[in-house]
Amino acid sequence: GENVEQHPSTLSVQEGDSAVIKCTYSDSASNYFPWYKQELGKGPQLIIDIRSNVGEKKDQRIAVTLNKTAKHFSLHITETQPEDSAVYFCAASPGNTGNQFYFGTGTSLTVIP
Amino acid sequence: DTGVSQDPRHKITKRGQNVTFRCDPISEHNRLYWYRQTLGQGPEFLTYFQNEAQLEKSRLLSDRFSAERPKGSFSTLEIQRTEQGDSAMYLCASSPPRVREAKNIQYFGAGTRLSVL
Repeated sequence: GENVEQHPSTLSVQEGDSAVIKCTYSDSASNYFPWYKQELGKGPQLIIDIRSNVGEKKDQRIAVTLNKTAKHFSLHITETQPEDSAVYFCAASPGNTGNQFYFGTGTSLTVIP
Repeated sequence: DTGVSQDPRHKITKRGQNVTFRCDPISEHNRLYWYRQTLGQGPEFLTYFQNEAQLEKSRLLSDRFSAERPKGSFSTLEIQRTEQGDSAMYLCASSPPRVREAKNIQYFGAGTRLSVL
């Protein structure tokens, strides 16, 4: 099955700086890659996603890049704010061959004011 | 709030007891998923329903676990003879009907946190 690895496990940045979280996946059949933000005591919330036929997607301060050849994708947050502090999870979906998501182990992001 | 609703939010039980959780998906979402999340880990897939049919089950779903979605709307997850290792957050997610070439977006509830003493 699919194996998703995520790095780093913890990340601290100064407010206003950028944060980058990286994930790799193993199954070349995976074709959909969502990113979720999870705050304490809450369920994961979708913040951005990318499909395998796209190399980059941006939504305001958040962007995701995908390298299908290398099987890795990254989340970029610019101009970080204290409210960006949370745990971020990447995931991969095998698309038509299955319905479940395979999640990374999470990155705890702390934005220092 | 029309998001995915889970009940209860917290459950404390003694080892050996049975527990049942409920999930109400977003209206008109025919696909429903259960995941388990332990501390410091990402969610792990347990099972998937399309309407009332349970189409996928993970090996994590031992014979003490059973999930149902009798009318294709809400779903229940029951754990029999709970063990301390069952302590985790149980998350439910739902998706709208799959359309060709559409993204498989999953919307998550807030989860039920189970503590087995």
